[in-house]
Amino acid sequence: AQSVSQHNHHVILSEAASLELGCNYSYGGTVNLFWYVQYPGQHLQLLLKYFSGDPLVKGIKGFEAEFIKSKFSFNLRKPSVQWSDTAEYFCAVNAFGNEKLTFGTGTRLTIIP
Amino acid sequence: GAGVSQSPSNKVTEKGKDVELRCDPISGHTALYWYRQSLGQGLEFLIYFQGNSAPDKSGLPSDRFSAERTGGSVSTLTIQRTQQEDSAVYLCASSLPPSGGRRDTQYFGPGTRLTVL
Repeated sequence: AQSVSQHNHHVILSEAASLELGCNYSYGGTVNLFWYVQYPGQHLQLLLKYFSGDPLVKGIKGFEAEFIKSKFSFNLRKPSVQWSDTAEYFCAVNAFGNEKLTFGTGTRLTIIP
Repeated sequence: GAGVSQSPSNKVTEKGKDVELRCDPISGHTALYWYRQSLGQGLEFLIYFQGNSAPDKSGLPSDRFSAERTGGSVSTLTIQRTQQEDSAVYLCASSLPPSGGRRDTQYFGPGTRLTVL
């Protein structure tokens, strides 16, 4: 069975700091990988996704993630965060041929102005 | 708007009552998913529809939970004899048909917050 681990439960940063949120998955086969974001009071939105090709994927709002197959990781990064990035971030995996998304427990990100 | 819509946005019910939650997917999305988001469990998959059939019901927590989809569009999730542990946000998502064996992105609705007293 596939599973996803997000080790950081709550991250607090000051504006302009760099961000890296960890995501590891357990599944030996081909996967699709996603980061979703949930801003306060809003619904889940796709931040970025990896299906194949270049392992460094760029998403909206300056976010990027790198798929490292050997480490089963898909960490999310942003070089300089803004107050508006305050949200909950979910990593998700979808095994090839499997329909459901398996989510990590989420990381709450708080940006201090 | 063109997004996934869900109704009601909030539902408060008494223990033992039945509830129905509705999802209207994005037009043209043949795949539809139900998930549940609760404090203790995070985001959990419940059921997946392709068209009107449900090839994967593996996430439904008990036989009190059922779902149907008609006309390849609207879906209803029904919870019978609700219990307090059913309190959660129920999320619906939809996606385009698969391409080259890969699933497309799932787009989520705003959810229905269910509170069982």
